[in-house]
Amino acid sequence: GAGVSQSPSNKVTEKGKDVELRCDPISGHTALYWYRQSLGQGLEFLIYFQGNSAPDKSGLPSDRFSAERTGGSVSTLTIQRTQQEDSAVYLCASSPRGQGSYISYNEQFFGPGTRLTVL
Amino acid sequence: AQSVTQLDSHVSVSEGTPVLLRCNYSSSYSPSLFWYVQHPNKGLQLLLKYTSAATLVKGINGFEAEFKKSETSFHLTKPSAHMSDAAEYFCVVSPSRNQGGKLIFGQGTELSVKP
Repeated sequence: GAGVSQSPSNKVTEKGKDVELRCDPISGHTALYWYRQSLGQGLEFLIYFQGNSAPDKSGLPSDRFSAERTGGSVSTLTIQRTQQEDSAVYLCASSPRGQGSYISYNEQFFGPGTRLTVL
Repeated sequence: AQSVTQLDSHVSVSEGTPVLLRCNYSSSYSPSLFWYVQHPNKGLQLLLKYTSAATLVKGINGFEAEFKKSETSFHLTKPSAHMSDAAEYFCVVSPSRNQGGKLIFGQGTELSVKP
């Protein structure tokens, strides 16, 4: 079946501009995560959505970063007034949340990522 | 707080020889532990996971890992390296088992395989 998809695959923007990154999770997965992978910081958690619960935003680095998830499916990560230090690969992952399902214990399925370059 | 430390940033082996990628974790309770692999310009792929069902976990492509609580380790091994194993490997801990939540990644170990 289809995996997690992300768009665009590459994005080049100028400092100060806003960008939107999109994630389409695996159909039926109720949990969705955003991570950032950069040379200096490795892989960092950004935000997590689970069903209709309030998202866990504890990893967002500043108030320039926000994310939403519409209809419990597609998610958009928005970075306002981009800075050069925002350059990174942004990864999205989704996870099922079956009740009592061994397979679903926190296993996350990752998309290919969006490479963001801020000039 | 939970954390994970990958003891080697880079490991180089010859094709056909064993692979050992080391990982130690810190957790106040029994965590879920994972190994993910990332090939160049590819997404992260789950190799294997530990969720307390068995301490020796077998994954894809001949990899396995052993959970040792006394040593707080979860080292990844493979008996015989293949050229296609060259990639970056991440040891990952999940703070809360059987619940959703963020993953905490180690810094990664780059595996090189020489012909």
